[in-house]
Amino acid sequence: QQQVKQSPQSLIVQKGGISIINCAYENTAFDYFPWYQQFPGKGPALLIAIRPDVSEKKEGRFTISFNKSAKQFSLHIMDSQPGDSATYFCAASKGGATNKLIFGTGTLLAVQP
Amino acid sequence: NAGVTQTPKFRVLKTGQSMTLLCAQDMNHEYMYWYRQDPGMGLRLIHYSVGEGTTAKGEVPDGYNVSRLKKQNFLLGLESAAPSQTSVYFCASSLTGGNQPQHFGDGTRLSIL
Repeated sequence: QQQVKQSPQSLIVQKGGISIINCAYENTAFDYFPWYQQFPGKGPALLIAIRPDVSEKKEGRFTISFNKSAKQFSLHIMDSQPGDSATYFCAASKGGATNKLIFGTGTLLAVQP
Repeated sequence: NAGVTQTPKFRVLKTGQSMTLLCAQDMNHEYMYWYRQDPGMGLRLIHYSVGEGTTAKGEVPDGYNVSRLKKQNFLLGLESAAPSQTSVYFCASSLTGGNQPQHFGDGTRLSIL
């Protein structure tokens, strides 16, 4: 059972464009929603994260939009660059003592020069 | 500061063989995790540990065992390898629970023939 659904599976964007990746979750107990970035041959690295008490968080060119009523959140990459080409994973956690993450299936982003 | 180091980086096994994957972290983190990454399925939690001497099952624990004898090390064992265990294995660590960021190693690519 996929608790965090991610789309699209792959995405091609032109340099300077906006990349948008969407995720939806089912469990209303989730209270932490991070995005991870993974380059080929490397492990995932935390990019940006949001908690459900805010609707948007921005860090540089990366923005998370969060819609609690729809149980959806999305990653926007503004002014996309070839160096942003990577696989992006959304995740969700109920926090607490275990800190377990439930990951989406990933989006392969290619930014064309 | 090496962060999270995984050993080995690549390994090929025959069905039925056993092996141990080693994860070491030098950040004095309490929590450690083992994930597997398969195409189209994201990362799935195998086992995790909330402190030295403790282990717990994750989402897909069958066929794997773990040990956390030292705070800095987390071992993942395959007692009798099966082709279904062909995957990329990632270790991660976090300072504590409560939605602390997880820091990942660069993975071990394991093929079971």
